Amino acid sequence: NAGVTQTPKFQVLKTGQSMTLQCAQDMNHEYMSWYRQDPGMGLRLIHYSVGAGITDQGEVPNGYNVSRSTTEDFPLRLLSAAPSQTSVYFCVTGGVDTEAFFGQGTRLTVV
Amino acid sequence: AQSVTQLGSHVSVSEGALVLLRCNYSSSVPPYLFWYVQYPNQGLQLLLKYTSAATLVKGINGFEAEFKKSETSFHLTKPSAHMSDAAEYFCAVSDNFNKFYFGSGTKLNVKP
Repeated sequence: NAGVTQTPKFQVLKTGQSMTLQCAQDMNHEYMSWYRQDPGMGLRLIHYSVGAGITDQGEVPNGYNVSRSTTEDFPLRLLSAAPSQTSVYFCVTGGVDTEAFFGQGTRLTVV
Repeated sequence: AQSVTQLGSHVSVSEGALVLLRCNYSSSVPPYLFWYVQYPNQGLQLLLKYTSAATLVKGINGFEAEFKKSETSFHLTKPSAHMSDAAEYFCAVSDNFNKFYFGSGTKLNVKP
């Protein structure tokens, strides 16, 4: 049982490049989400999904795109990376009667 | 929408002293509440969770939290701090397990 698998763990991008952060879960959780963590700002919700085919914006969605074609996968796309997107990203999932489960995190640097 | 407020972004205690980290939430329905701990350069680990059973919840590493509906609080305590408790702590709330809301975090420093 792998839980929440998030890749890559580290990434360096140049300004303007695009990339996709992958998140996969094998717990059959309906809820999947992406957060970014910045010093002094806690965890801020980027996008979330309550089931396949359903996505919604969180607190800081600009510059990011998501899709949920299956229950298991919830990729986060950076369309045109900017230095302001330098952060640590977490994929978070949850189900009925569960707590939040975290991926290992992705440390992204945009230069 | 739910919200979570953690009072004090930094808390410093001496080793062996009581740890008290404060968390207040806003909720129109009975919530589900959680405390997470994050050690440097690591992910978040569940300390404990409240899901409408006993109001006093015991977690790992000697931590516990008490749900007080009248005060909309879920403060985290530990009777005696250890150096290894130095970390950042996050309070979180979920009203239906379909969306989680996190506090801004409290960094705990433990002095020898």
